[in-house]
Amino acid sequence: EVQLVESGGGLVQPGGSLRLSCAASGFTFSSYEMNWVRQAPGKGLEWVSYISSSGSTIYYADSVKGRFTISRDNAKNSLYLQMNSLRAEDTAVYYCARAIVGATSNYYYYYMDVWGKGTTVTVSS
Amino acid sequence: SYELTQPPSVSVSPGQTARITCSGDALPKQYAYWYQQKPGQAPVLVIYKDSERPSGIPERFSGSSSGTTVTLTISGVQAEDEADYYCQSADSSGTYHWVFGGGTKLTVL
Repeated sequence: EVQLVESGGGLVQPGGSLRLSCAASGFTFSSYEMNWVRQAPGKGLEWVSYISSSGSTIYYADSVKGRFTISRDNAKNSLYLQMNSLRAEDTAVYYCARAIVGATSNYYYYYMDVWGKGTTVTVSS
Repeated sequence: SYELTQPPSVSVSPGQTARITCSGDALPKQYAYWYQQKPGQAPVLVIYKDSERPSGIPERFSGSSSGTTVTLTISGVQAEDEADYYCQSADSSGTYHWVFGGGTKLTVL
């Protein structure tokens, strides 16, 4: 069974740090791009960060650029999100998701076909 | 930045057809994708590449595209279809690959 399991969430004070992990199983992790997506309480989905299968290409949302770092360990089938200088507005459920990226003859495509259940990050004093 | 616009809510009676729209300037040049999210659960992909349905997704879910608007159609709506639905796409320049609409709450009356 294809599965993603996030961990590492919790309560942290503003300005603090947290490292999220995502354990993948049931598929060849090293062959897939990955994303982190978050959802603030009562709000919609917000893409956070992307990493290519090899880790050589990385993108961040403007809202987290310079504070968050995405990484992966293909030998351990794991994805990570290091979050520094946390703010109250970073409070959210954080999901890892498998990304499907490619091109047809007409268009590029980018979507997420498998999601974890999420881990909750609360930034509060 | 790039924006995708969805109606905040759609309501239908069981057995009726629900249509949820998503508008964006780049949609004529980019595929759209749809995710279903039930309360307390992770999103689930229900439509990819405008109109393709992943395995395991009921046939009553379909997608279409026309100009700057894409539409998720749920035929013969069931009570279990009550959820939030999000469209996702990319901008035309390729700068923003992972853009979500604001979400639409589907209520089954």
